[in-house]
Amino acid sequence: AQSVTQPDIHITVSEGASLELRCNYSYGATPYLFWYVQSPGQGLQLLLKYFSGDTLVQGIKGFEAEFKRSQSSFNLRKPSVHWSDAAEYFCAVGAPGGYQKVTFGIGTKLQVIP
Amino acid sequence: EPEVTQTPSHQVTQMGQEVILRCVPISNHLYFYWYRQILGQKVEFLVSFYNNEISEKSEIFDDQFSVERPDGSNFTLKIRSTKLEDSAMYFCASSPGTGRREQYFGPGTRLTVT
Repeated sequence: AQSVTQPDIHITVSEGASLELRCNYSYGATPYLFWYVQSPGQGLQLLLKYFSGDTLVQGIKGFEAEFKRSQSSFNLRKPSVHWSDAAEYFCAVGAPGGYQKVTFGIGTKLQVIP
Repeated sequence: EPEVTQTPSHQVTQMGQEVILRCVPISNHLYFYWYRQILGQKVEFLVSFYNNEISEKSEIFDDQFSVERPDGSNFTLKIRSTKLEDSAMYFCASSPGTGRREQYFGPGTRLTVT
């Protein structure tokens, strides 16, 4: 069964600082990988996705993520955080080749301080 | 940009009552999903729907739950006899299909069962 681990439940960074949110997955093959963001009272917005090819993927809002097969990781990064990035971030995996369910991690809540 | 919409945003119901949660997926998308998030827990998959039938469902999706696409635009989740433990945020999602596997989520319906 596929699973996702986000080891950091809560992270606080200063505005302008760099950010890295960790995600590790468990799956027999290379899954489809996603990062979603949820602002308070909002739905889940897709930040970026990895299906195959270049292991460094660019997303919206200046985010990027790097797939590392050897570490079963798909960490999310941003070079300079803005106050508006405060939200909850979810890593998710899906089985390759189809349109099946997505399995989510527990989420990391990001707080940005001035 | 097209979005998934959900109504109502908040539904309060008494235990044992039937509820119908409504979703309008993105036009021309082919795959539809329901997920739920109990407060403080992970987002969990409930069911996926394609070509007017259920393609996958989780253990949570028992006989109390049903889904329907009554017309070309709406996608509904019905809970026949609500229990206290059905209280959660319910998310609808849709996926384009035709090679594009990312899922786009709606803002959610908060269901409170009293």
